[in-house]
Amino acid sequence: ETGVTQTPRHLVMGMTNKKSLKCEQHLGHNAMYWYKQSAKKPLELMFVYSLEERVENNSVPSRFSPECPNSSHLFLHLHTLQPEDSALYLCASSQGEGSEQYFGPGTRLTVT
Amino acid sequence: DAKTTQPNSMESNEEEPVHLPCNHSTISGTDYIHWYRQLPSQGPEYVIHGLTSNVNNRMASLAIAEDRKSSTLILHRATLRDAAVYYCILKRNSGYALNFGKGTSLLVTP
Repeated sequence: ETGVTQTPRHLVMGMTNKKSLKCEQHLGHNAMYWYKQSAKKPLELMFVYSLEERVENNSVPSRFSPECPNSSHLFLHLHTLQPEDSALYLCASSQGEGSEQYFGPGTRLTVT
Repeated sequence: DAKTTQPNSMESNEEEPVHLPCNHSTISGTDYIHWYRQLPSQGPEYVIHGLTSNVNNRMASLAIAEDRKSSTLILHRATLRDAAVYYCILKRNSGYALNFGKGTSLLVTP
């Protein structure tokens, strides 16, 4: 247990569906992250929130919409996804910029 | 961003030490060397990091070359649970991004 939980662990959705991924950290950290890990590709940073404000957005398509209502919770809202968006979506948290990041177990997303 | 180069895969016997190399010849003076690992079906896990001096913690040791152009992660006694992909990442203290490469896939055999 890393102190970062993600739900659901597995998700299958059609291209016209809307779904949300949830992440919660119990570590008292002030920064939270979404990463994407596609098959046979390195992890890619998608979004970073620090003190509930988005500080990085790495050219992610608008069909992915993050939300950080407080420093312990992070959501990734999904709509009209494509099959190539199928991947492992990982959440992480850290205490500031230079600190180590703690990752959750990920949500395995399949878009059909 | 400065890049790192790691072997694609390595193999070790259980209970023997493992030395995982990383080359980073274009490292800048403000880059920290971070190591993470990812066990099968799990998210990445922080292992260790350092700037210039060698570092030890309960998981591993990090040996950094004097010119900082290479480093080695040392697992003192490999166990089957250490089988994972190990990532060597350069990161400045400012900025949030961890730029993961392909890493080294470590196989540990009994």
